[in-house]
Amino acid sequence: KAGVTQTPRYLIKTRGQQVTLSCSPISGHRSVSWYQQTPGQGLQFLFEYFSETQRNKGNFPGRFSGRQFSNSRSEMNVSTLELGDSALYLCASSLGPRESYEQYFGPGTRLTVT
Amino acid sequence: DQQVKQNSPSLSVQEGRISILNCDYTNSMFDYFLWYKKYPAEGPTFLISISSIKDKNEDGRFTVFLNKSAKHLSLHIVPSQPGDSAVYFCAASASSGNQFYFGTGTSLTVIP
Repeated sequence: KAGVTQTPRYLIKTRGQQVTLSCSPISGHRSVSWYQQTPGQGLQFLFEYFSETQRNKGNFPGRFSGRQFSNSRSEMNVSTLELGDSALYLCASSLGPRESYEQYFGPGTRLTVT
Repeated sequence: DQQVKQNSPSLSVQEGRISILNCDYTNSMFDYFLWYKKYPAEGPTFLISISSIKDKNEDGRFTVFLNKSAKHLSLHIVPSQPGDSAVYFCAASASSGNQFYFGTGTSLTVIP
């Protein structure tokens, strides 16, 4: 069974631009969560989607948004990029919200904002 | 506010010895805890879990201990192997279906 895939793997953007990251969950998984990893902050929860609906949202500004499609694939968007948005963005999938203890992570997208 | 804390950013241990990684949490509602291991350029992979009804869970060389009164958990790796060198994250959640809060990670280096 294929794992969680994230595209692109690396991205360089300029301040003020916007970016869209994509995540394809493991087949059969309907829950997708997004995390931001920065040095010294660990993994910070961004949001979780299940059945195309946002279930939970972390403490991030409205510039960070996401969505989930009917095939469970998910995208996250960051508008008006700031230097501090440079981070590794990780996506994790699970069968459903009740199985969030068994999340499988993708390799991440490394975003650099210059 | 960091609800899950890993106060040691790094740890070095000789091969064959015990590695002890620590994690503290502040939210008394947390009742499920996980440890993940992360290699560079890869996503975290699940290692071991423990629920609040237990105080210990073992899986091969890995044992997690939970001290609810101290709001503290630890991961013991015995014996440590060079392949264990990675960043270890602890995570906690309050009941099934809720988000997990992650610590900042501890980078373990096992010296051959």
